[in-house]
Amino acid sequence: IVMTQSPLSLPVTPGEPASISCKSSQSLLHSNGDTCLDWYLQKPGQSPQLLIYLGSNRASGVPDRFSGSGSGTNFTLKISRVEAEDVGVYYCMQVLQTPLIFGGGTKVEIK
Amino acid sequence: EVQLVESGGGLIQPGRSLRLSCAASGFIVSSIPMTWVRQAPGKGLEWVSSIYSGGRTAYADSVEGRFTISTDSSKNTLYLQMNSLRAEDTAVYYCARGSRSSGRDKWGQGTLVIVSS
Repeated sequence: IVMTQSPLSLPVTPGEPASISCKSSQSLLHSNGDTCLDWYLQKPGQSPQLLIYLGSNRASGVPDRFSGSGSGTNFTLKISRVEAEDVGVYYCMQVLQTPLIFGGGTKVEIK
Repeated sequence: EVQLVESGGGLIQPGRSLRLSCAASGFIVSSIPMTWVRQAPGKGLEWVSSIYSGGRTAYADSVEGRFTISTDSSKNTLYLQMNSLRAEDTAVYYCARGSRSSGRDKWGQGTLVIVSS
């Protein structure tokens, strides 16, 4: 499975919305109905942190300005109103099967 | 509190072996799927290996046959035994816990492995 993220870089204005796309080369729909895609954020100098699992479930402690959507092969992470603390590199990852594959990452920075 | 602390990284010559450890606290390491992910300098994240309840393991093609993932219940620790190291194995190695149904919800701080002569 190949994971393709876009854009590579995303300059954002605080308070404005932002959107990141992730496309997979094959459907990430599990036979049990789960959408097998996670989103992670790696802030500068930090370890990755889980934002969204199974396509649209926010992880514990993740602000509700983050949302995940999509199905099949097309997925989107949206930030409703970007805050300065949201800068970093965002990765999608397919978890349908091994090898688990990350997207190439989208670097979000403040304009 | 759930915590993961990696150790064991360092500078190692090509062809040599190294064992990384990931000490877990706040949960039982053998009861939850565990994963190693690495990040080469200036690059993105790369899945390396996972171990699942019951002992099933999976590896990236790039490390299959050279790396071995395991857990020690008595020490509540995850390991990654890395043999026949290559320059391209140079990276920060992170351990993470979690399954498909929960996401990798807790990560360690990472340990740096540099393979160089």
